[in-house]
Amino acid sequence: QVQLVQSGAEVKKPGASVKVSCKASGYTFTGYYMHWVRQAPGQGLEWMGRINPNSGGTNYAQKFQGRVTMTRDTSISTAYMELSRLRSDDTAVYYCARLRITMGTHYMDVWGKGTTVTVSS
Amino acid sequence: QSALTQPRSVSGSPGQSVTISCTGTSSDVGGYNYVSWYQQHPGKAPKLMIYDVSKRPSGVPDRFSGSKSGNTASLTISGLQAEDEADYYCCSYAGSYTPYVFGTGTKVTVL
Repeated sequence: QVQLVQSGAEVKKPGASVKVSCKASGYTFTGYYMHWVRQAPGQGLEWMGRINPNSGGTNYAQKFQGRVTMTRDTSISTAYMELSRLRSDDTAVYYCARLRITMGTHYMDVWGKGTTVTVSS
Repeated sequence: QSALTQPRSVSGSPGQSVTISCTGTSSDVGGYNYVSWYQQHPGKAPKLMIYDVSKRPSGVPDRFSGSKSGNTASLTISGLQAEDEADYYCCSYAGSYTPYVFGTGTKVTVL
């Protein structure tokens, strides 16, 4: 079945970087964008950006420009999200979610279970 | 890109209907028919409930319906059930530069 399996929880110190992975299975990896969405404790969902696994092209939310890098390894159907210069307010659950690369498709139909990233000194 | 505006909470008794609004601008909700809605239970990942304003994915009960007028989209849950108690988020396409923006989220309580 279609699933996105994310890497385990991370604890990082302020100023460090974190890299979260999202392994896709059950579908053609290159046929779907991979989006990253985060949710701080008790807060709402926040779109961070997306990567086209086919081309490697990315779009990032302005808020994260310069701090986030999204990459992929098509040989293992895995997408990555790296966030640098971590601050305490980056403490959140980070989700990956797929979105079909088809003109006029704009919804995320499968989500990973989330990766908790805690930033604390 | 600012978050879309949703009411913080709505509530209803079992069997009643509740409607959640999602207000944006002509650059997002009003500019495209690409509003989606997600249900999130505590500690769980979001689940797609509505896409393209009013379409339901396979497996989503027809108690859930969506609509849009101008810059405001709405999600209606008819025949409210206990399992509908969750947080709900709208999301809109907003153009090629910053493609997606989520709503602030609404907690639905079944009384």
